[in-house]
Formats: sequence, C-alpha cells, structure tokens
Amino acid sequence: ETGVTQSPTHLIKTRGQQVTLRCSSQSGHNTVSWYQQALGQGPQFIFQYYREEENGRGNFPPRFSGLQFPNYSSELNVNALELDDSALYLCASSFGLSGQSNYGYTFGSGTRLTVV
Amino acid sequence: KNEVEQSPQNLTAQEGEFITINCSYSVGISALHWLQQHPGGGIVSLFMLSSGKKKHGRLIATINIQEKHSSLHITASHPRDSAVYICAVRITGNQFYFGTGTSLTVIP
Repeated sequence: ETGVTQSPTHLIKTRGQQVTLRCSSQSGHNTVSWYQQALGQGPQFIFQYYREEENGRGNFPPRFSGLQFPNYSSELNVNALELDDSALYLCASSFGLSGQSNYGYTFGSGTRLTVV
Repeated sequence: KNEVEQSPQNLTAQEGEFITINCSYSVGISALHWLQQHPGGGIVSLFMLSSGKKKHGRLIATINIQEKHSSLHITASHPRDSAVYICAVRITGNQFYFGTGTSLTVIP
C-alpha cells in the first residue's frame, strides 16, 4: 500500500505570489485534511475534503482554498502569499468521516514553504 | 487557551531513562493520537486511544477520559527516540486539535 505523498517537498515564493501544493492520498482513502504547522507550533487545521467537497474549515482566510479530485488527491492553493504563510504544510488522508475509523489516518511528510 | 496542552515543552534525558510526556485537553473527543515528528517534518502515528492503555515495544500510552488526560511513556530511552512528540485529539469526523509538541532529546 502506498502512503501519502506531498509535492513539492520544499518551495520558496515571494510575498504576493500564489502557490499550489499537492497531496496524493493513500490508496483506499477518500478524505484529505490539510494542516499548517508554523515553526515550533503544533499543526493547525486548514480544511478537509471528503469525496471532492469541502467538509469543514479552520480559521484561515479565503485566500487559502483547495480542491479534491475524483482520484481523491488534493491541492491546497494559497493566493497573495504573506510572510506569515511560511510554514510546513501537512496533508493527511483517511477513509470516511466516522470518528471511529482509524489506523487509516496517514500523514504525508509535508511541504516546507518559505515566503520571502 | 489551546484545546490541547502538552508538558513539558522540552525534555532532555540520558539514554536508558524512563520518560513521561503529558497531554491534557478541554474538548469532547472521539479519540486521542500520539504522533512522532522527526526533523524534516514527516509525522508517524504512534497510538490511537479512546480508553485505557496501549503498549508497543518500549512505548506505552494511557488515557483517562474522565480527567481528559493522556500520557506517553518511553521505557529505556535511546538516542533514536529523539523527536518531537505531538498529542492530537480527534473531534468530529476526522478533524483534530494538536498540541504544540514536546521536543525530546536523548543523550547517549
């Protein structure tokens, strides 16, 4: 079974630019969640996609948007980048929305975004 | 106030020592996870708990639902255990609140 793959692994962007981060979910998973982890902090929930629709969103502005594709892979898009957007962006996939479904919650290794 | 609080924030131990990391939470949860994050960012799920105690090798995790508290224990610590350990609680669906992590360094 494949794990969660994120690309790119590292990225440097200039303030004001736009960025797209990608996540391939684990085989058999249909739910993808995105998290932002600032240096020295725990991950913060951005949003979750289930069967191609957004299913929950954290406290992030609208310039953070996402997509989920029919193969359940996902993109995170950030417009008008700010310096504070510099962080590790983590993707996690799972099956379904049941609070009891587990052992199928798999994290990717993250994309480290630096905004200069 | 964070929904999930961990202590200590930083921990340095000598190889072989018994280590305890604590996690308290303030929300209703369906499960609690202990995660391990190595330099570079990749996260590995160590345990998922909804009650009681689990053991895997030298790692033991316990949870007290009534007290909203969990502990992660490492017996006979080793330098390869050096990592950040994160407590995460699952609320609805697959949404989580995360603690800020405990950075563990085990010295040979």
